[in-house]
Amino acid sequence: SYVLTQPPSVSVAPGQTATMTCGGDNLRGKTVHWYQHRPGQAPILVIHFNTDRPSGIPERFSGSKSGDTATLTITRVEAGDEADYYCQVWDTPTNHRVFGGGTKLTV
Amino acid sequence: DVQLLESGGGLVHPGGSLRLACKASGFTFRFFAMTWVRQAPGKGLEWVSSMTSDEAGDGEFFYADFVKGRFTISRDDSKDTLYLQMDDLRAGDTAVYFCAQLAPTVTTGSAVFWGQGTPVTVSS
Repeated sequence: SYVLTQPPSVSVAPGQTATMTCGGDNLRGKTVHWYQHRPGQAPILVIHFNTDRPSGIPERFSGSKSGDTATLTITRVEAGDEADYYCQVWDTPTNHRVFGGGTKLTV
Repeated sequence: DVQLLESGGGLVHPGGSLRLACKASGFTFRFFAMTWVRQAPGKGLEWVSSMTSDEAGDGEFFYADFVKGRFTISRDDSKDTLYLQMDDLRAGDTAVYFCAQLAPTVTTGSAVFWGQGTPVTVSS
């Protein structure tokens, strides 16, 4: 089965920049989405189609992809950004929607 | 406003069944693919199942391997409702189950709108 690898945790001070990675085989050929999830709440889509920011998501959130690694970057991090962040792709060979293991962002 | 409201969760014994429902409002339900995602206690998000819109005309269904024929996704466009029939439930199915709208496609589309989730506990 297809695997997306994310670091378990990232810690940054308020006002700094948080960088979270997501790696997978042939990720360069896949479309990556990123979700923010706080305990007890519905997940929120923060980046879709690798780099696009949905309506209502602050410009502080950005996505990029280089080779087989996708990156979610949050600039000027705020306490309210503390959450789990998941990358997600569609794996065509298996016809499965796949989530990474998630990265816990601590501010 | 788009709203997705899950219901049908609860406590069930191992081997039992539950049918989850996801009532949609604020958008034309029949035009959109839909998905179920779950989160077990202390674990990450895990995809369960997705299905195309009937408007797409292809009626495709997709399931995670762990479903193994135990779960069935369906929809009733006349009621703007998505369902997940879960049979032969196991302790490992204990989780909060979320429904979400997919756009533009069931495969590479993203999930912009999510419900708040309904908890399922499988225990004797």
